[in-house]
Amino acid sequence: DADVTQTPRNRITKTGKRIMLECSQTKGHDRMYWYRQDPGLGLRLIYYSFDVKDINKGEISDGYSVSRQAQAKFSLSLESAIPNQTALYFCATRAQGRETQYFGPGTRLLVL
Amino acid sequence: KNQVEQSPQSLIILEGKNCTLQCNYTVSPFSNLRWYKQDTGRGPVSLTIMTFSENTKSNGRYTATLDADTKQSSLHITASQLSDSASYICVVSDLENNAGNMLTFGGGTRLMVKP
Repeated sequence: DADVTQTPRNRITKTGKRIMLECSQTKGHDRMYWYRQDPGLGLRLIYYSFDVKDINKGEISDGYSVSRQAQAKFSLSLESAIPNQTALYFCATRAQGRETQYFGPGTRLLVL
Repeated sequence: KNQVEQSPQSLIILEGKNCTLQCNYTVSPFSNLRWYKQDTGRGPVSLTIMTFSENTKSNGRYTATLDADTKQSSLHITASQLSDSASYICVVSDLENNAGNMLTFGGGTRLMVKP
């Protein structure tokens, strides 16, 4: 089984709709991250969390919100989706004191 | 502003050949540089991590080099295989944000290995 899972893997939605992307991990890591990837561009950080009570904005947090329901779960919400939020979204985890981030398989989101 | 530039953007090589991918960065102060491999439809997977004091690091057929003076890194792939077809992403972490929460990602080099 994959250590970092994301659901759904693909989603098509309409402008103005609320959508939630979910991430779960079995690695026992305390740190979790949400990134978006656009064609030809590097991954950009949306939000990150160091534990259940710690949520921090990243580089491009406008239009997004997150919830850390448990150490193993970190959800990303688009309250009112817009077309320029069409992208590939990745969740990642990292253990405290370790450098390597472990990425999920990604969620491909299309906003019409 | 911290930046990571990779070249070429895309590359096609024949199976069995070697290739070298380039990464230039302007991240300061520098903490470490990572290379990730991203297969189509998958998340990035770490290949190597190098700190300021490391000039080279290998992971099988992958060898990364780092020149912290010129702020350049390269990833050399030896005896390429079809499974090497992927995007290769250079990522730099700065000292002030070495909690790993602020990384600067390059746009990646898309490598295609043909039979």
